Amino acid sequence: AQSVTQLDSQVPVFEEAPVELRCNYSSSVSVYLFWYVQYPNQGLQLLLKYLSGSTLVKGINGFEAEFNKSQTSFHLRKPSVHISDTAEYFCAVSLEYGNKLVFGAGTILRVKS
Amino acid sequence: NAGVTQTPKFQVLKTGQSMTLQCAQDMNHNSMYWYRQDPGMGLRLIYYSASEGTTDKGEVPNGYNVSRLNKREFSLRLESAAPSQTSVYFCASKEFPEGGPSYEQYFGPGTRLTVT
Repeated sequence: AQSVTQLDSQVPVFEEAPVELRCNYSSSVSVYLFWYVQYPNQGLQLLLKYLSGSTLVKGINGFEAEFNKSQTSFHLRKPSVHISDTAEYFCAVSLEYGNKLVFGAGTILRVKS
Repeated sequence: NAGVTQTPKFQVLKTGQSMTLQCAQDMNHNSMYWYRQDPGMGLRLIYYSASEGTTDKGEVPNGYNVSRLNKREFSLRLESAAPSQTSVYFCASKEFPEGGPSYEQYFGPGTRLTVT
């Protein structure tokens, strides 16, 4: 069975600084990988996804992620964060076209001024 | 276009009471899902419905039942609520277009349930 580990439960960062949110997954077969964002008191919204092809994936709001098969990682990055990026971020994996998503525990990104 | 809607937004139940959480989507999606979100555990799949007329168990189905009423609506029922079911419940939907698979799930705003 797949599993997802988000290595940091909280990441505090100052505004305009770069940030990396780490995600590792375990699976013996090819997977589809996703990052979702949850703003306070809202549902989840897709940031980006890796299906195949280029290992660098660009998403909304200036975020990008890099798929590393040898390290089974899919870390999320942003070169310069804003206060409005404060949210909880979830890494997820799926074997079946986005069905049966398995989520990590989430990383709370707190952007400070 | 409201997307995925859930009712109610908040609910408090006593142990042993029953209730149904409602979910509807207006995007003509085939697949629908119910998740629960607990602190430090992310979201876990309770049940899903790949298409109208079918339902399947997810990771944590015990204590829940579902009904895919039609293509738009997918309800989650707690027959006898327990404190362990205190959680935030999210409904999601996904399309499967003729041109190939779609991967993004669209989430509702959630129902915050407390069982005392």
